[in-house]
Amino acid sequence: DARVTQTPRHKVTEMGQEVTMRCQPILGHNTVFWYRQTMMQGLELLAYFRNRAPLDDSGMPKDRFSAEMPDATLATLKIQPSEPRDSAVYFCASGLVHRVGGYTFGSGTRLTVV
Amino acid sequence: DAKTTQPPSMDCAEGRAANLPCNHSTISGNEYVYWYRQIHSQGPQYIIHGLKNNETNEMASLIITEDRKSSTLILPHATLRDTAVYYCIVRVEGDSGGSNYKLTFGKGTLLTVNP
Repeated sequence: DARVTQTPRHKVTEMGQEVTMRCQPILGHNTVFWYRQTMMQGLELLAYFRNRAPLDDSGMPKDRFSAEMPDATLATLKIQPSEPRDSAVYFCASGLVHRVGGYTFGSGTRLTVV
Repeated sequence: DAKTTQPPSMDCAEGRAANLPCNHSTISGNEYVYWYRQIHSQGPQYIIHGLKNNETNEMASLIITEDRKSSTLILPHATLRDTAVYYCIVRVEGDSGGSNYKLTFGKGTLLTVNP
């Protein structure tokens, strides 16, 4: 089965450091989502890309978060500087916008900021 | 605003059918009903979706009421590995450029399958 690959799986960093999370969507998929999950807030949508263009990043704290798709095989989510409240599991999902069907999620990156 | 309402938790005996309800009384004519589940420490997993007809696949069945205001996900023979949070989501297909493409997760139903 095709998979969405996220790296790293776990990341522990100190407050103030830059964190970059990577996602390899399924080949041929033209939509990519970034989600964040915490116990308190559940699954929150951070950003949405279609054909590599960012269509919506209203869920992202703009001052420290940035999301990009440098090419069709790579999506990145960067936090600079990181804060303890950013500790969460970050999920990437990919799919096809013009095909009825579900999105495929990666296994997530568990981020801990100390 | 939440577009679906689900019970916070349910129990089911192993081997029995698990019936998970979802209310979506404000669903629009072009919105599909989707079900995902999230097993502990994993990413959400797509299960099934439907528009107005009942649907079945290798994982589950989806029963949508005639007025489309509610639906039920059925796991016909639940196993311990089906213990997870189940999310019911409504959304349109395609991308009209608005916000209706979003896959918005609520709190879901924690299904616990007991031996």
